[in-house]
Amino acid sequence: GAVVSQHPSRVICKSGTSVKIECRSLDFQATTMFWYRQFPKKSLMLMATSNEGSKATYEQGVEKDKFLINHASLTLSTLTVTSAHPEDSSFYICSAGRGFTEETQYFGPGTRLLVL
Amino acid sequence: AQKITQTQPGMFVQEKEAVTLDCTYDTSDQSYGLFWYKQPSSGEMIFLIYQGSYDEQNATEGRYSLNFQKARKSANLVISASQLGDSAMYFCAMRGIQGAQKLVFGQGTRLTINP
Repeated sequence: GAVVSQHPSRVICKSGTSVKIECRSLDFQATTMFWYRQFPKKSLMLMATSNEGSKATYEQGVEKDKFLINHASLTLSTLTVTSAHPEDSSFYICSAGRGFTEETQYFGPGTRLLVL
Repeated sequence: AQKITQTQPGMFVQEKEAVTLDCTYDTSDQSYGLFWYKQPSSGEMIFLIYQGSYDEQNATEGRYSLNFQKARKSANLVISASQLGDSAMYFCAMRGIQGAQKLVFGQGTRLTINP
């Protein structure tokens, strides 16, 4: 299967700082990537769809100025949590697909963010 | 709008027994895909099995099979001969024509295999 990496795997930051999370498709090109947020013992909540070369599409209730998404190349999407607060602490997961309807999306290993 | 419902928050099964995890869905799309994922405590999402809405046969992948009942809009995951390593969260997900590749997830079921 295809491989998606995420970096960093874990980050601790102070309240008010910004944190950037990278999502890379290592062996395929992805025009579309997805960013999810997961609270402990909860399901994955789609935050936004990252589109290469254009603006991201955010789900209802997700602050686009808070969660900045950039998809500058076919293999890299970044999520920046700006002016992080403790309530932003969560598990963030990205995914990407190769465009085949019947094929799964490939998920990154996730990033655990803790804002102090 | 698409919706996935998993009604079992937790399941406890003896090792080597078979287990069925329930999943029902709702969609107005004629063509859609259903997926099951396993998420161990490490957090990674592991793809298990896929069923297309037009597939006439139930999907199978090793010890995993999907009991697809289209009329009832259910897509239950069956794990045969459960193993201790099967203990994890399991998520049912759907993808339709609307929204391209976007996946909608159910609430998840925590499966615990007892020795």
